[in-house]
Amino acid sequence: NAGVMQNPRHLVRRRGQEARLRCSPMKGHSHVYWYRQLPEEGLKFMVYLQKENIIDESGMPKERFSAEFPKEGPSILRIQQVVRGDSAAYFCASSPRTGRGANVLTFGAGSRLTVL
Amino acid sequence: AQSVTQPDIHITVSEGASLELRCNYSYGATPYLFWYVQSPGQGLQLLLKYFSGDTLVQGIKGFEAEFKRSQSSFNLRKPSVHWSDAAEYFCAVGDSSASKIIFGSGTRLSIRP
Repeated sequence: NAGVMQNPRHLVRRRGQEARLRCSPMKGHSHVYWYRQLPEEGLKFMVYLQKENIIDESGMPKERFSAEFPKEGPSILRIQQVVRGDSAAYFCASSPRTGRGANVLTFGAGSRLTVL
Repeated sequence: AQSVTQPDIHITVSEGASLELRCNYSYGATPYLFWYVQSPGQGLQLLLKYFSGDTLVQGIKGFEAEFKRSQSSFNLRKPSVHWSDAAEYFCAVGDSSASKIIFGSGTRLSIRP
């Protein structure tokens, strides 16, 4: 069981470019969460997805950010026209479909985005 | 709305000393409560969780936490810390709807030799 896999681990982009971060949940997990961690800050919820559905995107910035979790393949967090303020660690977590375990998140190692 | 407060940004304790990290939550119903640990450059690892039942829960690495409804608290404790416990600790709250889990701002723990 490979756990939650995120890639790339490190990504450098220039202002105005696009960043795509990928997350493969643990085997058997159908819920995916994305969090952002700014330097010296805690984790801020961004979005919660199930396969082909966005359940809660209340933490996503209104512009430039989008997320998807297609029927096949990993979940993608996409940031268009990146700015320096987007530099952060982006963590993906997954959980099972039902039961109390649905609340227990397993985290990936994170993707660290640096915008030059 | 759910919220989690960790009032201590940074704590330093001596190796072998006891530890208590504070966590207060705001939530209308019975919350699901969690403590996670993050080592530098790593993701978060679950230490322990509370859903219901016994208010004192045991976790990994010798940690425990106590749910006190009257104080809206879920403090993390360890009787004797080890140098390897130096890390960032996050308290989190969720609910039975399995929607978003909200994290506190974290407490950085340093260990004095």
